[in-house]
Amino acid sequence: DSGVTQTPKHLITATGQRVTLRCSPRSGDLSVYWYQQSLDQGLQFLIQYYNGEERAKGNILERFSAQQFPDLHSELNLSSLELGDSALYFCASSVGDDGGSYEQYFGPGTRLTVT
Amino acid sequence: DAKTTQPNSMESNEEEPVHLPCNHSTISGTDYIHWYRQLPSQGPEYVIHGLTSNVNNRMASLAIAEDRKSSTLILHRATLRDAAVYYCILRGRGSTLGRLYFGRGTQLTVWP
Repeated sequence: DSGVTQTPKHLITATGQRVTLRCSPRSGDLSVYWYQQSLDQGLQFLIQYYNGEERAKGNILERFSAQQFPDLHSELNLSSLELGDSALYFCASSVGDDGGSYEQYFGPGTRLTVT
Repeated sequence: DAKTTQPNSMESNEEEPVHLPCNHSTISGTDYIHWYRQLPSQGPEYVIHGLTSNVNNRMASLAIAEDRKSSTLILHRATLRDAAVYYCILRGRGSTLGRLYFGRGTQLTVWP
């Protein structure tokens, strides 16, 4: 158990809909990262927050947005869903935002299926 | 972040040591070498990381070449639970770009 929790575990929704994925980092961790894993793309970094502020953006679509709240939990919002958005979405956390020194701890993921 | 090169797959027998290689010829002096693994249907799991010296923890050992252009993750006694995809990743010290770049990794198969 990494200490990172994600809800829900599974989500099935239709094209065009909007969903929210939730992540609670390990106690004491200030950084939260979101990743997407699909069969053809592998693990792709989406976005990072540190203590409530956006720190880095990766291959995140404009239809996707995220935020980190004062209690440090984070939400990833996916809107106007398309079939290609079906994937595993992982959240990870780390103590700091110094990329090299700190390891990241990953949650169990949310499996999103868009039909 | 600098790129790494790993074999696509490796095999081992249970209870034997496993040496997973990683080449990173363009590594910079401030890059840390990180290893993660991903078991089937699970999120990636941190294994170990180091900068210059060899590192040991309860999961594995990391041997870093003197010129730092390559490293080896050592699993001292493979178990069936170690069957996973192993990723070697470089992370710059002081880098605020927190992303981990996951390449294809090495698929490790462990035979009973």
